[in-house]
Amino acid sequence: NSKVIQTPRYLVKGQGQKAKMRCIPEKGHPVVFWYQQNKNNEFKFLINFQNQEVLQQIDMTEKRFSAECPSNSPCSLEIQSSEAGDSALYLCASSPRSYEQYFGPGTRLTVL
Amino acid sequence: GDSVTQTEGPVTVSESESLIINCTYSATSIAYPNLFWYVRYPGEGLQLLLKVITAGQKGSSRGFEATYNKETTSFHLQKASVQESDSAVYYCALGINNYAQGLTFGLGTRVSVFP
Repeated sequence: NSKVIQTPRYLVKGQGQKAKMRCIPEKGHPVVFWYQQNKNNEFKFLINFQNQEVLQQIDMTEKRFSAECPSNSPCSLEIQSSEAGDSALYLCASSPRSYEQYFGPGTRLTVL
Repeated sequence: GDSVTQTEGPVTVSESESLIINCTYSATSIAYPNLFWYVRYPGEGLQLLLKVITAGQKGSSRGFEATYNKETTSFHLQKASVQESDSAVYYCALGINNYAQGLTFGLGTRVSVFP
């Protein structure tokens, strides 16, 4: 079973509010991914890091989303101004620099 | 871009019956992607069930099998005899040969196994 920790498990925000979620990758996994899974079960890759450096991010992430993976602290994903369309399950995954990714349980965000 | 199409659920089967979930892929960025099956049991997170990174090979785990068929671009998941504990949502996914890339997932197939 994966040892990726995500907090909080549930997050409820009003439109325009900030929403922040955290992820602790498995020990020894230098690569961290964030995905969004919407109500239609579609997965969308958002951003990934190797150690503290951004490897790739999609355009959406560059605008209202911000993320970081500081050393010796949890990784985080923050939505600066939440919109109804951001309601989704946010998944963090880590990888030991191999083909597999190991997922946490997710943070379910509801934007009212 | 890359895409994955899998059996649309829900799928209901009786215990001890066989199960097959179809998965086909289209990879535009690489000829032979890595292929995965993930599973989400009720109340739990997404778990890696099995993976195959070489075309033509078969992966297996927990009684499930999947063969990487490059000719038909398929990676169907099969189990000969399911148990109630196999009730879950199954996701087929592909990745390119780069640990830094995100995976491309199918929409998932919900499987319910009845005693």
